[in-house]
Amino acid sequence: KAGVTQTPRYLIKTRGQQVTLSCSPISGHRSVSWYQQTPGQGLQFLFEYFSETQRNKGNFPGRFSGRQFSNSRSEMNVSTLELGDSALYLCASSLGLAGGQRYEQYFGPGTRLTVT
Amino acid sequence: AQSVSQHNHHVILSEAASLELGCNYSYGGTVNLFWYVQYPGQHLQLLLKYFSGDPLVKGIKGFEAEFIKSKFSFNLRKPSVQWSDTAEYFCAPLGGYQKVTFGTGTKLQVIP
Repeated sequence: KAGVTQTPRYLIKTRGQQVTLSCSPISGHRSVSWYQQTPGQGLQFLFEYFSETQRNKGNFPGRFSGRQFSNSRSEMNVSTLELGDSALYLCASSLGLAGGQRYEQYFGPGTRLTVT
Repeated sequence: AQSVSQHNHHVILSEAASLELGCNYSYGGTVNLFWYVQYPGQHLQLLLKYFSGDPLVKGIKGFEAEFIKSKFSFNLRKPSVQWSDTAEYFCAPLGGYQKVTFGTGTKLQVIP
């Protein structure tokens, strides 16, 4: 099975711009979660989508949004970029079923976003 | 609020030394416990998991972890580390009021 894929892998944007990141989950996985990884804060949860619905949300401002399509692919959007948004954005997929397996996640390589 | 604490931020060991990385979480309800590992230049990958049952779980590459409910702990162990174990390790107690929380990670450096 192919793993989780994320595009693009690297991105450079300027402050005030917006950006859209894409994630394709493992075939058969219905849940997609997004994380922000920075050296100082570690992995911070952004949101989780399951069957095109946001199922869970972390503590990020409204500039961060996402969506999921019927084929389980997901996009994440950040509007009005700030310097502090520079980070590695990780996508993870899981079967999304109830119980522990909901959280058994498989990660993609990430998109490295640099905001200048 | 649910939180997780990894006590060691950076650990340096010689090959063949024993490893124990601490992980404590604050939530008292049902949680699902995971350890993930990120090798240099690679994706985060699942090392081991605990949902229920035997509190001693075994993962890949000789790693194991023990869930001690009374201590809210899920420490990672390996009897004898190898240079190839150099990586960053993340504890993740997931679940509990639908919260998703990863620890800040422990960087392990194994010296040959």
